[in-house]
Amino acid sequence: SQQGEEDPQALSIQEGENATMNCSYKTSINNLQWYRQNSGRGLVHLILIRSNEREKHSGRLRVTLDTSKKSSSLLITASRAADTASYFCATVKGNQFYFGTGTSLTVIP
Amino acid sequence: DTEVTQTPKHLVMGMTNKKSLKCEQHMGHRAMYWYKQKAKKPPELMFVYSYEKLSINESVPSRFSPECPNSSLLNLHLHALQPEDSALYLCASSLTGLAGVAKNIQYFGAGTRLSVL
Repeated sequence: SQQGEEDPQALSIQEGENATMNCSYKTSINNLQWYRQNSGRGLVHLILIRSNEREKHSGRLRVTLDTSKKSSSLLITASRAADTASYFCATVKGNQFYFGTGTSLTVIP
Repeated sequence: DTEVTQTPKHLVMGMTNKKSLKCEQHMGHRAMYWYKQKAKKPPELMFVYSYEKLSINESVPSRFSPECPNSSLLNLHLHALQPEDSALYLCASSLTGLAGVAKNIQYFGAGTRLSVL
């Protein structure tokens, strides 16, 4: 399987705290992306990091990529109740996207 | 317009029925995708169309038949499905199907919730 693994599977934090989720993958990639999915809905793209980049920021999101370890992390700072969702990493090669197992984040108001 | 529209939102069908799922985008994207997602699982890639041609079929059973009539439309024809095919079916599109494009991000529809009885 080309699917990535994410941990933790589930994460519950208080509003205002930071949330970190990790993704490990198996194959070479062009880029790695993170998506969010609210329950029963489609996925929404959050951030993309290219294979030659090590860190990327976008608003309250920070993504790191270590291609030697085939791993990435997503940090959400100052979390809000509206951040409650499932988060998936996606490894991308050409037009092939393979999603990781996902982290379910609950932010408690 | 950054929308991918999927119809219907919900579908209930018997194992002998034939039905179709539809997906439409008007962003000029030339790659379109079908995914299957079971509860609490990640989306699983089924098919990829690149420039209206089927480029990837992830060993999907023949009871699922994709069709891309033009660059804006993607259909998934369903026939003789099994109860285990019940899932959320997601359509997505991206700018291009070319390999190595650094900004190839996907836009997803809201999905069709399929129940097979």
